[in-house]
Amino acid sequence: NAGVTQTPKFRVLKTGQSMTLLCAQDMNHEYMYWYRQDPGMGLRLIHYSVGEGTTAKGEVPDGYNVSRLKKQNFLLGLESAAPSQTSVYFCASSRDNYEQYFGPGTRLTVT
Amino acid sequence: AQTVTQSQPEMSVQEAETVTLSCTYDTSENNYYLFWYKQPPSRQMILVIRQEAYKQQNATENRFSVNFQKAAKSFSLKISDSQLGDTAMYFCAFMNPYNNNDMRFGAGTRLTVKP
Repeated sequence: NAGVTQTPKFRVLKTGQSMTLLCAQDMNHEYMYWYRQDPGMGLRLIHYSVGEGTTAKGEVPDGYNVSRLKKQNFLLGLESAAPSQTSVYFCASSRDNYEQYFGPGTRLTVT
Repeated sequence: AQTVTQSQPEMSVQEAETVTLSCTYDTSENNYYLFWYKQPPSRQMILVIRQEAYKQQNATENRFSVNFQKAAKSFSLKISDSQLGDTAMYFCAFMNPYNNNDMRFGAGTRLTVKP
């Protein structure tokens, strides 16, 4: 089991560019999440999904879009990157009412 | 919305000693879940311990134990016999099972174990 994997691990974007972060899990979990982590703060939820084909907004969704076309994958998109989106992004997955398993994170820098 | 507060930004402890990290939370729910996650320099988030609010017994996992005070909305983590490998950021988290497992994290406590 690879658990939760994230691609890429690092990325540098220029303001206005777009990109997609890929999260994959092989644990057959229904729930998947995208968080961002900024210095001095805990993780904040961007978007989440409770099953294939479903997505919902979290605490800080502005500037991001997501898709869950397959149960094992959860994509996070930035259509027009801004410096305020410089952060470390974590994906997580879980079964219902169980702890979340996290990926290794993606460090994104927007210049 | 639920909030989680960790009032200790940084702590240190001597190797082999015991340290307690504090966490308080705010909720109107009666049933929920609480977690402590560890984030070492590798950045990987690792589950340390989990507590269900309906259970009165405090959870333990080897050297890690919690003091769960539901009425006070307090959930502290005790690390016994601290080891150098315990050096990490520790995050307290609250999960609401009635809101799609919405999980809220505290800002974290940076723990340093000194040799």
